[in-house]
Amino acid sequence: DAGITQSPRYKITETGRQVTLMCHQTWSHSYMFWYRQDLGHGLRLIYYSAAADITDKGEVPDGYVVSRSKTENFPLTLESATRSQTSVYFCASSESWPSQETQYFGPGTRLLVL
Amino acid sequence: QKEVEQNSGPLSVPEGAIASLNCTYSDRGSQSFFWYRQYSGKSPELIMFIYSNGDKEDGRFTAQLNKASQYVSLLIRDSQPSDSATYLCAVRAGGTSYGKLTFGQGTILTVHP
Repeated sequence: DAGITQSPRYKITETGRQVTLMCHQTWSHSYMFWYRQDLGHGLRLIYYSAAADITDKGEVPDGYVVSRSKTENFPLTLESATRSQTSVYFCASSESWPSQETQYFGPGTRLLVL
Repeated sequence: QKEVEQNSGPLSVPEGAIASLNCTYSDRGSQSFFWYRQYSGKSPELIMFIYSNGDKEDGRFTAQLNKASQYVSLLIRDSQPSDSATYLCAVRAGGTSYGKLTFGQGTILTVHP
């Protein structure tokens, strides 16, 4: 049971490049989320999705794009990476609401933008 | 003002003691409250959730919620060195805000032998 996976686990890129972070879950959870974690800010929600083809902005969506064509995948794209997007990115999923709203987190992707 | 604030750390307690972690939130309509634990370099994992006022116990962990005072706490009894981690408080507002958890900045707990 793989659960929720993220790739790559580590990524170094340059300012202005496009970067896509992948998230895949095997539970068929309806809801998926992208967070970034920075010192002093804790975890902040970037985007979330309630189902395939349904996405919505979180607290810090600027500079990011998401899509969800399949239930199990939720890629996050940085259209033109900036140094301020250097962070640890976590993907999470949850089953349904209101019965099961616990979010399960992937292992994270550490992104460095030079 | 931050929406979810946790007591500043780091917090250091001796092995076997009770560790008390506190969290306050600003949205009075908040419905769900979560405590996550995060080991260094790892992802957050759920410890407990609580929805109603009062205490909720799970093994050595007790979550306490007081909606009138807008705070939620986590007590860890008989603290062990393996409890050393960052503890994250998360809050979900009411209404149609499903999925929008707001996290505190975390409290680092160190349990020393």
